[in-house]
Amino acid sequence: KQEVTQIPAALSVPEGENLVLNCSFTDSAIYNLQWFRQDPGKGLTSLLLIQSSQREQTSGRLNASLDKSSGRSTLYIAASQPGDSATYLCAVYNTDKLIFGTGTRLQVFP
Amino acid sequence: GAVVSQHPSWVICKSGTSVKIECRSLDFQATTMFWYRQFPKQSLMLMATSNEGSKATYEQGVEKDKFLINHASLTLSTLTVTSAHPEDSSFYICSAPTGDYINEKLFFGSGTQLSVL
Repeated sequence: KQEVTQIPAALSVPEGENLVLNCSFTDSAIYNLQWFRQDPGKGLTSLLLIQSSQREQTSGRLNASLDKSSGRSTLYIAASQPGDSATYLCAVYNTDKLIFGTGTRLQVFP
Repeated sequence: GAVVSQHPSWVICKSGTSVKIECRSLDFQATTMFWYRQFPKQSLMLMATSNEGSKATYEQGVEKDKFLINHASLTLSTLTVTSAHPEDSSFYICSAPTGDYINEKLFFGSGTQLSVL
């Protein structure tokens, strides 16, 4: 059974810092890995998708890497801003399901 | 990007009543939709996979008679919480792949906050 874990569970930083969010999964037979952002009481916004054959994806200040063999992904957020405050979820797609991680609650203060 | 609309955004109901939540794909056809449940400060847990024209596939531990799923068209899936109880209070959210979901992003509705009194 696929299990997805994220560390840290919570993070509070001053704006301007570069951040690293970690995601690990137990079954490396995945089709892809996605990173999402969720604001309180809201739905999810897809940030980045990394196919199983890819190593990383970049979008603006966000960069996600994938090491499928070791079951790990990392989301880098450069020059964090208060508007980045949200919960970040990674999710892996294997067989026919998208399994979510435990999430990292990020707070960036001015 | 693709749009998935979910309604209602929040609902308060009395214990024992049934609540229906709708999930619509607005600009694409979705033969499959996914229903998730999220308790406070927890991650999303897949409840079931909704399949157009056939029965839904439920995850282990999810009562299919309590959480009725109907996917009657290529753009609409509904989740009905039957005889709701306070422990069913949660955030319910649907999602739909736009096609080749192995390679494409999954789009989510805005979620429904259910509170059962």
